[in-house]
Amino acid sequence: GEQVEQRPPHLSVREGDSAVIICTYTDPNSYYFFWYKQEPGAGLQLLMKVFSSTEINEGQGFTVLLNKKDKQLSLNLTAAHPGDSAVYFCAVRSNNYAQGLTFGLGTRVSVFP
Amino acid sequence: EAAVTQSPRNKVTVTGGNVTLSCRQTNSHNYMYWYRQDTGHGLRLIHYSYGAGNLQIGDVPDGYKATRTTQEDFFLLLELASPSQTSLYFCASSDWTRGYEQYFGPGTRLTVL
Repeated sequence: GEQVEQRPPHLSVREGDSAVIICTYTDPNSYYFFWYKQEPGAGLQLLMKVFSSTEINEGQGFTVLLNKKDKQLSLNLTAAHPGDSAVYFCAVRSNNYAQGLTFGLGTRVSVFP
Repeated sequence: EAAVTQSPRNKVTVTGGNVTLSCRQTNSHNYMYWYRQDTGHGLRLIHYSYGAGNLQIGDVPDGYKATRTTQEDFFLLLELASPSQTSLYFCASSDWTRGYEQYFGPGTRLTVL
């Protein structure tokens, strides 16, 4: 089945700086890709999604890049602010009908002044 | 906005105890999922369903049963709880639109003593 490696596990970022989280997946038939944000004591909130190869999505201070050739998904935090402190998960869905998402292990992001 | 609720939010039981976790979604989604979240493992799929009366086995089903009574309601049952089932449990729902993006509930923290 699908496996997703996410790195780094921890990220400390100065306010205003940028940072990047990378996920590498294994199943070439994976088709839908998501980034979720989890704040302390809360569930997972959908942050961004991307479906097409080499697609770039921007919004909410983030940029998502999908490279299906290299089976890599990245989340770029463009100008960090304290509200970005959270755990971020990438999630991949293969074409396997109705199967749940395969998640990375998460990246804990801490934004400091 | 998608709405997924879970109850209880916190539960403590003893080894061998009987526990039922409840999930309700009001999005008219066909698919519902149960995950557990553990440090070092991320989120792992326990069971899922694509409609009332349907149940599919996920990646870590041992020790868990589930039942989908209606389109809205999905239950996770631990009939003989063990300490290894101490975890944070999330329910999610999705549909075929928008790439099966999943909407998560707030989670239930279960402690088995």
